[in-house]
Formats: sequence, structure tokens, C-alpha cells
Amino acid sequence: TQLLEQSPQFLSIQEGENLTVYCNSSSVFSSLQWYRQEPGEGPVLLVTVVTGGEVKKLKRLTFQFGDARKDSSLHITAAQPGDTGLYLCAGSNYGQNFVFGPGTRLSVLP
Amino acid sequence: DVKVTQSSRYLVKRTGEKVFLECVQDMDHENMFWYRQDPGLGLRLIYFSYDVKMKEKGDIPEGYSVSREKKERFSLILESASTNQTSMYLCASSYRKGRGYEQYFGPGTRLTVT
Repeated sequence: TQLLEQSPQFLSIQEGENLTVYCNSSSVFSSLQWYRQEPGEGPVLLVTVVTGGEVKKLKRLTFQFGDARKDSSLHITAAQPGDTGLYLCAGSNYGQNFVFGPGTRLSVLP
Repeated sequence: DVKVTQSSRYLVKRTGEKVFLECVQDMDHENMFWYRQDPGLGLRLIYFSYDVKMKEKGDIPEGYSVSREKKERFSLILESASTNQTSMYLCASSYRKGRGYEQYFGPGTRLTVT
């Protein structure tokens, strides 16, 4: 069974701070996705990474896929209250199924 | 933009009722999914479908069934609703993009069974 772990589980920071959240597995994935979910809404896809070592940037968000394609990180620079939400990672392995991590709940205080 | 819509945002049903949750996607995606999301348990896969009239059980299929008569529509059925099926239900569709797959979610249906 493929599992994804995320850390930290909860994170509360002040506006303007930087942060990194992690997504780890003992399994290899062919691709990995990051989502942000706001309360009462469905997850919104932020990025998909497919190549080991790949780095993608989305404004203040930087995503990295580990060289071995078992882990990933999301770094947010100068966090804003609008970044508040549940961040989910999901791995896919050459198929239609997705394995989700439990999420990191981020709160950015003004 | 990919759009996945769900028939209701909020639903309240009584124990024993038959409940239908509808999901429609407008991007001709092959694969569709139903998940439920509960605090502390994360997203759990109920059923998925990779083609019309095809279905596969996910991790927690008990008490649920699905129907996919058309490519764009995937329905989740609770044959006899129970209080432990109170949850947030999320529909998603996915497609292959390059070497990876991307999945898009609907807004969710918060179901309360009383």
C-alpha cells in the first residue's frame, strides 16, 4: 500500500514569514500533485511535478519533486492571509488512481 | 478551465433514505472519482470509473454504489443512508497530461444524515 505523509500537520505563522511543508513516501510516484483546499470547498490543483529534481514556481510558491520521486516540498515566500488553507499532496503512479496525504493546515495571521 | 460540478452543495437526508449525488465534468476526461473527506481521516476513495459503464471499488465502497452511463456524468448512490455516512463528498475527474495525471475536483456536497 502506498502512503503519503505530510508535515507539519498544523502551521500557524505571521503574514510575511516564509514556510516549507513536506510530503514524504517510501514509494516512488510517476507524478505528484499539490492542492489547496479552503473550508467547505473542493481541493484546487496548484501544480503537477513529474521529473525527479523538478522545481516549479507559482508566484510566491515553489514546489520541488525529490530526485528519487518519493518526496516533495512546497515553499511559500512572504506568506499572506490568502494562503490560509489545507495543503494536500497526492501521488499518482502511471495510472488513474491517486494517493493523498493527510494535509497540512496552514493559518497565516495578519 | 476545467469544470466539475456537483448537484448540491448541502444536503440533509433521513436515515434509510436513498440518496443520489450527481457529478458532471465538461472536459471529456476519461476518469472520474468519488471521495469522502472526514476530519482526521483525510480523503478516502469510494469508487472510481475509467470509462463509461466501468467502475472500480476504492478503499471504502461499502454502503455505496455508482453509475456512469455517460462519459461526463458519474453518480454516487447511497442505497440506505446511515448517520455514519454524514460527510463531505467530493467528485473529481482526471486525465493524462504528459507523463503525469492531473485531477480536478468539484466544490463538494456536504451531506448530513439525521
